[in-house]
Amino acid sequence: DGGITQSPKYLFRKEGQNVTLSCEQNLNHDAMYWYRQDPGQGLRLIYYSQIVNDFQKGDIAEGYSVSREKKESFPLTVTSAQKNPTAFYLCASSMRRNTEAFFGQGTRLTVV
Amino acid sequence: GDSVTQMEGPVTLSEEAFLTINCTYTATGYPSLFWYVQYPGEGLQLLLKATKADDKGSNKGFEATYRKETTSFHLEKGSVQVSDSAVYFCALIPSGGYNKLIFGAGTRLAVHP
Repeated sequence: DGGITQSPKYLFRKEGQNVTLSCEQNLNHDAMYWYRQDPGQGLRLIYYSQIVNDFQKGDIAEGYSVSREKKESFPLTVTSAQKNPTAFYLCASSMRRNTEAFFGQGTRLTVV
Repeated sequence: GDSVTQMEGPVTLSEEAFLTINCTYTATGYPSLFWYVQYPGEGLQLLLKATKADDKGSNKGFEATYRKETTSFHLEKGSVQVSDSAVYFCALIPSGGYNKLIFGAGTRLAVHP
């Protein structure tokens, strides 16, 4: 079945450590996105990528980094520079223009 | 800039009641409009969409009509079920641009028997 896979579902890290969240899709979509969701709030865009080897900052990119070496993969690294990293992270993908995005099941990151 | 405004929740209804969740948007041109649903602890699922004025999106008994004159895309369902309890997000993709979804804050719906 085609879809978007995020792993792991739950992730715990100590403060000051970098952590990488995985996102893989087999939908042959060009574009991929990372969103952050905080309790009771909407989604905020962290980074997006329209094609391989290219990505742009979203609204809240500070403290995060991404790579897009393969069409299927768009990992997100939460660095120690991110002041408040505990959140629910959602990855999505879509065809390039004016089509809906499909979401993964999310990764809940807790930093202690 | 482009934005989406949803009615604040939570919305609490009895089973079989009529549902309306209001959504209005600010955007130039003709954005594409979407409703997504999020069940507890899960990602978002596309519920329905409309890509031009007067289009009606529908799915699983839910409907929404793209109203350009009132810049609205209200979600409706004639008879809700307990299983409809979730958070509902209205979203848009600006016209002519890349697929950067802009979301509203979400509206939590709780349906009780």
